[in-house]
Amino acid sequence: EDQVTQSPEALRLQEGESSSLNCSYTVSGLRGLFWYRQDPGKGPEFLFTLYSAGEEKEKERLKATLTKKESFLHITAPKPEDSATYLCAVGRGSTLGRLYFGRGTQLTVWP
Amino acid sequence: NAGVTQTPKFRVLKTGQSMTLLCAQDMNHEYMYWYRQDPGMGLRLIHYSVGEGTTAKGEVPDGYNVSRLKKQNFLLGLESAAPSQTSVYFCASSHARFLAGVINEQFFGPGTRLTVL
Repeated sequence: EDQVTQSPEALRLQEGESSSLNCSYTVSGLRGLFWYRQDPGKGPEFLFTLYSAGEEKEKERLKATLTKKESFLHITAPKPEDSATYLCAVGRGSTLGRLYFGRGTQLTVWP
Repeated sequence: NAGVTQTPKFRVLKTGQSMTLLCAQDMNHEYMYWYRQDPGMGLRLIHYSVGEGTTAKGEVPDGYNVSRLKKQNFLLGLESAAPSQTSVYFCASSHARFLAGVINEQFFGPGTRLTVL
């Protein structure tokens, strides 16, 4: 049973073309939704944690939002260096720190 | 402050050989995790530990064993490697929950790329 679904699987944007990545989840008792960035050949790098519906967090060109069923990662005026795979993960209340990951969205920003 | 480190970075094994992957963290985290990442499958949890001397099975534990003898180290062992264990392995660590209802972010190491022939 998929608990975390990310879409699209891949996204190509021209530099400056804003867009959003989606992460939908079906877990009960959400205890955190996490966004990571992963560059080729490297480990995931933590970006944001969101804990409650309506919460938003920003970092440079990235903004993460959370509703009761999904999260969006908005990318404003992306640059080629934003190219990476973005991973979403959720934590449930019945687990001890375990996270459940989606399969990621591979973002390519071309000049 | 090195964060989470993993050794080795790369390894090639023959079917049936054994090896141990080492993970170390210097952030005094209570929880540690081992994941594998395969194309199209995302990150899958193999085993995890919530404290020194404790381990638990994750989503895909078969064929692997772990030990956490020291708080800062988490070892992943393959007793008899199989081609299906060809993957990239990531270790991660996090603080325990300090507040009710809060799960803390995990910090990842750089990964070990393992090929089993």
